[in-house]
Amino acid sequence: ETGVTQSPTHLIKTRGQQVTLRCSSQSGHNTVSWYQQALGQGPQFIFQYYREEENGRGNFPPRFSGLQFPNYSSELNVNALELDDSALYLCASSSGGATAYEQYFGPGTRLTVT
Amino acid sequence: GIQVEQSPPDLILQEGANSTLRCNFSDSVNNLQWFHQNPWGQLINLFYIPSGTKQNGRLSATTVATERYSLLYISSSQTTDSGVYFCAEANNNAGNMLTFGGGTRLMVKP
Repeated sequence: ETGVTQSPTHLIKTRGQQVTLRCSSQSGHNTVSWYQQALGQGPQFIFQYYREEENGRGNFPPRFSGLQFPNYSSELNVNALELDDSALYLCASSSGGATAYEQYFGPGTRLTVT
Repeated sequence: GIQVEQSPPDLILQEGANSTLRCNFSDSVNNLQWFHQNPWGQLINLFYIPSGTKQNGRLSATTVATERYSLLYISSSQTTDSGVYFCAEANNNAGNMLTFGGGTRLMVKP
């Protein structure tokens, strides 16, 4: 196991609702990245947080937002859920901020939007 | 942007066989990782290998950065090796964003 934890494991929401997903980074890591993985595809980068600030963003709309806390844990918030938001959401922790270091993934949160 | 292509997309092996998975990438890399995704979705780190060769048990990997490809070798495959193998690469231009390939879906039959 990587030491990265995520909650909840599974979640079912209705279109238009809002959701918050949580991630605790591995001990000693100060950077958290979030990825969305649709069924049958590779993960897609959403954004990264370092020192409590967004430090890079992929091609996702503003209704995807996040936070990082002083203990380096992080939240992913998605507003106005759409059916296409149904996916496995993965967080990864690493050290070094924007520098390319090895990333370690949590077990994921599987979100279903109906 | 960076593009990552993996081949083959699907692979069926008999237990005990060897295989080579390939990852081609379009730009210079600062980070290249190989993962195994188990049926529950967990991405398991196999190698962090921006360049050179590494070995871990029955698995080994080689990255030739100047030619923009990486190879993952699986020897004496076992049924527990089944799953999806992803390579992912990143540079420092976008917050160490990992760009994943489409994966190789491996099934090892007993």
